Amino acid sequence: GAVVSQHPSRVICKSGTSVKIECRSLDFQATTMFWYRQFPKQSLMLMATSNEGSKATYEQGVEKDKFLINHASLTLSTLTVTSAHPEDSSFYICSASSGTGTSGNTIYFGEGSWLTVV
Amino acid sequence: KQEVTQIPAALSVPEGENLVLNCSFTDSAIYNLQWFRQDPGKGLTSLLLIQSSQREQTSGRLNASLDKSSGRSTLYIAASQPGDSATYLCAVKGGADGLTFGKGTHLIIQP
Repeated sequence: GAVVSQHPSRVICKSGTSVKIECRSLDFQATTMFWYRQFPKQSLMLMATSNEGSKATYEQGVEKDKFLINHASLTLSTLTVTSAHPEDSSFYICSASSGTGTSGNTIYFGEGSWLTVV
Repeated sequence: KQEVTQIPAALSVPEGENLVLNCSFTDSAIYNLQWFRQDPGKGLTSLLLIQSSQREQTSGRLNASLDKSSGRSTLYIAASQPGDSATYLCAVKGGADGLTFGKGTHLIIQP
């Protein structure tokens, strides 16, 4: 079946540095990719929706200049956390859909990335 | 704005029991509802996907029902096993947006 690969699975970075997380669809073309964030004991929260070749749509409260999303191809989306701070430490997970995201198109999830900012 | 609530937040039962996890959502205009399993330190595993036109889906010992008009879904787990211990997440999908998740039910099955 369809697989979404996310890398790295765990990353530790110093405060003030930037870190990039990759999300790849391995055997299908993902026209839409979603990025979520999950703080401890909280639900997954949608951060942004990215469509290949266009700018990402960010949810309210998510800083687009801090969380840079690039969906340059139909199989790859990247999330870059710029000037990371300890409060950005969280579980980041991507998902990908082969359709427009509407109706019953199945959404596949990556394994997630644990970011720790020290 | 869609809100998803899961009850109970945590549940601990002896092995072998049948159990029900509840999910409710505020906006009934959904395309589908999905139940996931999340193991500590791991990503999400999709368990069951119910389209808005469907009433239930079954997979092995799992059965999920959907009452769209009342904004409710239940996940029934039969003959629970220690390996079922995990956090179970309910998520709904509306339109072209991503999924809206509940906070999950943390399930512990005691051997």
